[in-house]
Amino acid sequence: DGGITQSPKYLFRKEGQNVTLSCEQNLNHDAMYWYRQDPGQGLRLIYYSQIVNDFQKGDIAEGYSVSREKKESFPLTVTSAQKNPTAFYLCASWGLGRLGAFGSGTRLTVV
Amino acid sequence: AQTVTQSQPEMSVQEAETVTLSCTYDTSESDYYLFWYKQPPSRQMILVIRQEAYKQQNATENRFSVNFQKAAKSFSLKISDSQLGDAAMYFCAYRTASSNTGKLIFGQGTTLQVKP
Repeated sequence: DGGITQSPKYLFRKEGQNVTLSCEQNLNHDAMYWYRQDPGQGLRLIYYSQIVNDFQKGDIAEGYSVSREKKESFPLTVTSAQKNPTAFYLCASWGLGRLGAFGSGTRLTVV
Repeated sequence: AQTVTQSQPEMSVQEAETVTLSCTYDTSESDYYLFWYKQPPSRQMILVIRQEAYKQQNATENRFSVNFQKAAKSFSLKISDSQLGDAAMYFCAYRTASSNTGKLIFGQGTTLQVKP
């Protein structure tokens, strides 16, 4: 079955560490997105990519980095420059047509 | 740039009653899609209903319907015969229809409480 997979489901980061969140899709979607969600709040766009080897900053890109070396994969790195990284992170993809797909999310906690 | 605004952070409805969630958006495009997504406590995003901007007819999916006012850039969601399982956060979203790429933009969300 086609779908979008995020891993891990839960991630703990120590102060000053970089961590990478995985997002993989086998839907042959061109566009992929990363969002951040804080408790009781909406989805804020971090980065998005429309084609391989290209990506654009969203509204809150500072402290984050991404890569798009393969169409199927769009990993997000939360760097030590992100001062308040504790949040829920959601990955999404979009292809031809009117529907997208969403991962099940990663809950990142700083310890 | 496109924006999506949900002005109701929280709403409540009595079971079996009807509730309407509001959404406004801003865009200069003429061809786009609008969506309502439901996010239960599991955080999984569930598509509730979608509307193509070129269609004048309001979309309907069982107990869920929208009031799409293109000129006013308004896209409200009506939930009829509310059920306990409808309790969740609801997001309004916008996406261009001109290509299979581009931003997918969400509103701030509305938390819906359903009272038994």
